[in-house]
Amino acid sequence: AQSVTQLDSQVPVFEEAPVELRCNYSSSVSVYLFWYVQYPNQGLQLLLKYLSGSTLVKGINGFEAEFNKSQTSFHLRKPSVHISDTAEYFCAVRWQAGTALIFGKGTTLSVSS
Amino acid sequence: DTGVSQDPRHKITKRGQNVTFRCDPISEHNRLYWYRQTLGQGPEFLTYFQNEAQLEKSRLLSDRFSAERPKGSFSTLEIQRTEQGDSAMYLCASSLDGRAGNSREQFFGPGTRLTVL
Repeated sequence: AQSVTQLDSQVPVFEEAPVELRCNYSSSVSVYLFWYVQYPNQGLQLLLKYLSGSTLVKGINGFEAEFNKSQTSFHLRKPSVHISDTAEYFCAVRWQAGTALIFGKGTTLSVSS
Repeated sequence: DTGVSQDPRHKITKRGQNVTFRCDPISEHNRLYWYRQTLGQGPEFLTYFQNEAQLEKSRLLSDRFSAERPKGSFSTLEIQRTEQGDSAMYLCASSLDGRAGNSREQFFGPGTRLTVL
């Protein structure tokens, strides 16, 4: 069965500092990988996705993630965060032959000045 | 704005009552999904439709839950005899199934927050 583990439930950082949000998944088959962001009382917005090809994926708002098949990881990074990046971030996987997204429990990123 | 819309945004009901939520997907999208998100958790898949056909249901979708997409456009999710454990955010998403058979990105609506008293 597929599962997603987000290793940090909360990540506090100062503005303009770099950040990494960690995500590991378990699956015996090939998967697609996604990062979504959720602002308070809003739905989910796709930040970036890995379907195939280059393992370094760039997304919106300056975020990027690297797919590491051997470590089954898909960590999200940003070199310099802003106050406006404060939100909940979800890593998700989808079995290539499936349809449902399997989400992690989320990481709360709190950016302070 | 042509994104996914959901109505209502908030619903407060008493235990035992029935509730119905509506989702309007992006107009050309043929797949529609329902997820449930409880406090402190990520969204969990409930069910999905390809056009009007309901093709997959999670074991989370008990007999009290029913979803429809009668004309392959909007969808409704009904919960009968609500319980306090049904309190959650109900998210709808849609996607366009590509010719290769692989669905594209899922676009999410703002959700309906249900509170069962």
